[in-house]
Amino acid sequence: SQQGEEDPQALSIQEGENATMNCSYKTSINNLQWYRQNSGRGLVHLILIRSNEREKHSGRLRVTLDTSKKSSSLLITASRAADTASYFCATDASSFQKLVFGTGTRLLVSP
Amino acid sequence: DGGITQSPKYLFRKEGQNVTLSCEQNLNHDAMYWYRQDPGQGLRLIYYSQIVNDFQKGDIAEGYSVSREKKESFPLTVTSAQKNPTAFYLCASTRGTLINQPQHFGDGTRLSIL
Repeated sequence: SQQGEEDPQALSIQEGENATMNCSYKTSINNLQWYRQNSGRGLVHLILIRSNEREKHSGRLRVTLDTSKKSSSLLITASRAADTASYFCATDASSFQKLVFGTGTRLLVSP
Repeated sequence: DGGITQSPKYLFRKEGQNVTLSCEQNLNHDAMYWYRQDPGQGLRLIYYSQIVNDFQKGDIAEGYSVSREKKESFPLTVTSAQKNPTAFYLCASTRGTLINQPQHFGDGTRLSIL
C-alpha cells in the first residue's frame, strides 16, 4: 500500500525558478525522507527529516514537515536543468524495518 | 568507490523460466532490500534482509525468492509463478538495521518478457 502521495504528479518550470513538491501520508511516522531518481537510474537520498523537526536545509533544498497535517514539502530553489528527475518521499510508517515510498513527482526544468 | 552493483542491466525472461538478479554491495551495510518499480509508479517492497541467513517478505513477495548467504550479496529470483514480471528492479542497502538511515540504491535491472 502507498503511504505517501506526492503532489503534483508532474511539474514543468524554467531554469532559475523555484520548484515545490508536496507529500502527504496517512499514519504517524518517525522520519520522512526525500529521494531523487534520474531516468533509468537508482534513487539518490536527498534529505531525512525526523518527526520532531519542522524544517531542514541542504544546499538549494529546503524540506518542511507538518506532522499535524501529515504532510511534507520539498523546495528546490534556483532550479537547474540538471534537477530534472522524479522526486519521491518515503516514510517509515511507524515501522522500524522498512520504508514506504510515494508515487513521485516528475520535475522538468527547461533551459 | 563503495556502492551497490546490480547486474545485469537488462534481462529477458522466457515463459516458464526462472531468472536471478544479482545485487552486491561493498558498503559493509547490514540491511538489504529489493523493490519493484512499474512505469510512472513508486517503489514497492519485495523482500528485505537485516542479517545474514535471515529475510522477510515485503508487500509483494509472491512469485519471488531471495537468499542472504553473505553480508554483501542479496540475489533475487523471479520465478515462473510471477505472471507479470516486467518491471524495473532496484536493490538498496542501509547501514544498521533501522529505517532512520538513508538507503543507498543500485542502478537497477530492467526485466522484460520475451
